[in-house]
Amino acid sequence: ETGVTQTPRHLVMGMTNKKSLKCEQHLGHNAMYWYKQSAKKPLELMFVYSLEERVENNSVPSRFSPECPNSSHLFLHLHTLQPEDSALYLCASSQAQGGSGANVLTFGAGSRLTVL
Amino acid sequence: AQKITQTQPGMFVQEKEAVTLDCTYDTSDQSYGLFWYKQPSSGEMIFLIYQGSYDEQNATEGRYSLNFQKARKSANLVISASQLGDSAMYFCAMRENNRSYQLTFGKGTKLSVIP
Repeated sequence: ETGVTQTPRHLVMGMTNKKSLKCEQHLGHNAMYWYKQSAKKPLELMFVYSLEERVENNSVPSRFSPECPNSSHLFLHLHTLQPEDSALYLCASSQAQGGSGANVLTFGAGSRLTVL
Repeated sequence: AQKITQTQPGMFVQEKEAVTLDCTYDTSDQSYGLFWYKQPSSGEMIFLIYQGSYDEQNATEGRYSLNFQKARKSANLVISASQLGDSAMYFCAMRENNRSYQLTFGKGTKLSVIP
């Protein structure tokens, strides 16, 4: 496989469930990102890991818990979510240095989450 | 305040015609980068084109070009010779180099190409 792969592509869960979203990149990148895309809102950056260390955490509720075991894998653990958490969750990767120049993010196809 | 403004929620263009998607941005940084991404219905965000704030020439990538007007803080995407496969959401984004991991997106423009 190439690029950034996200699983599952679709997930329906109740508010009391615990589930995880998985992201895997095959690009040799050292930084990985979680974004949330809600209807009619801009993409929101949730978490950034660079060289397996969390470098950005944008005031995300604790019911979202990221994990980056190595530079190729990123997880988003979900527990006791709310219906307003229903959204498309996009994973992305890039070279480690997030700034300066065209450090392009490569995105996966997303995991569509529905919370009942 | 919004950092990236895309004023066109939806646009229509005839196949083979050119179309311009608008983007204005707000920053006090001198060093920043501007990006355009395409998101088809499949969900994946596809990188199209990049413009650095110090780049003197407008960026071009195949049928895509970026009309960069620094003084007006605009970075419009021009798609030439539209194709049916260009129908998608288009997002403008900015990275300010003092916030190196933060890529801020606009709300997007839905482009529909008419046969």
